[in-house]
Amino acid sequence: EPEVTQTPSHQVTQMGQEVILRCVPISNHLYFYWYRQILGQKVEFLVSFYNNEISEKSEIFDDQFSVERPDGSNFTLKIRSTKLEDSAMYFCASRGPGSYNEQFFGPGTRLTVL
Amino acid sequence: EDQVTQSPEALRLQEGESSSLNCSYTVSGLRGLFWYRQDPGKGPEFLFTLYSAGEEKEKERLKATLTKKESFLHITAPKPEDSATYLCAVRYNNAGNMLTFGGGTRLMVKP
Repeated sequence: EPEVTQTPSHQVTQMGQEVILRCVPISNHLYFYWYRQILGQKVEFLVSFYNNEISEKSEIFDDQFSVERPDGSNFTLKIRSTKLEDSAMYFCASRGPGSYNEQFFGPGTRLTVL
Repeated sequence: EDQVTQSPEALRLQEGESSSLNCSYTVSGLRGLFWYRQDPGKGPEFLFTLYSAGEEKEKERLKATLTKKESFLHITAPKPEDSATYLCAVRYNNAGNMLTFGGGTRLMVKP
């Protein structure tokens, strides 16, 4: 069964450093997303991406964040200068064509900023 | 103001003791209500999508229903392996393709 994969599973970084989180969406999916979940809190939307551009973004997704689809399979989230409050689980999701199809989530990357 | 509220926050059941989880929403122009299961340290696993009031979906011991204001996830004769956090999320007009999640219900089923 096709699934979304994410690497690394755990990333530890120092405050102010840049991190890149990687995702491989399901192969025939066209819509890609990043969400985050701070420990003990709700899953929060960050950004959606379609046709090689950002479709929507939340207030969380400020200038420190960027997304890219560098090739036909990978989808990345970059945080330019990490802050302590960026520590969270980051989930990638993808959705197939059609207006109502569900989003399938990856296993997540746990980001710890020290 | 919370748009998606789940209750209870936590629920302890004995194996075989059926119950229901609630997800209430206040958004207008619902374009889909989604139920996910999340195990500790893992990503949400898709369970069901409901689109219109009166719709029902079933999968093994789980049954999801939808009204104009809320959704229920009914668990019949649960087993310990059903222990997880169950998340509800909505898509709605003027919010594009993003999902707005509730806080989840942490279900613990004791043998």
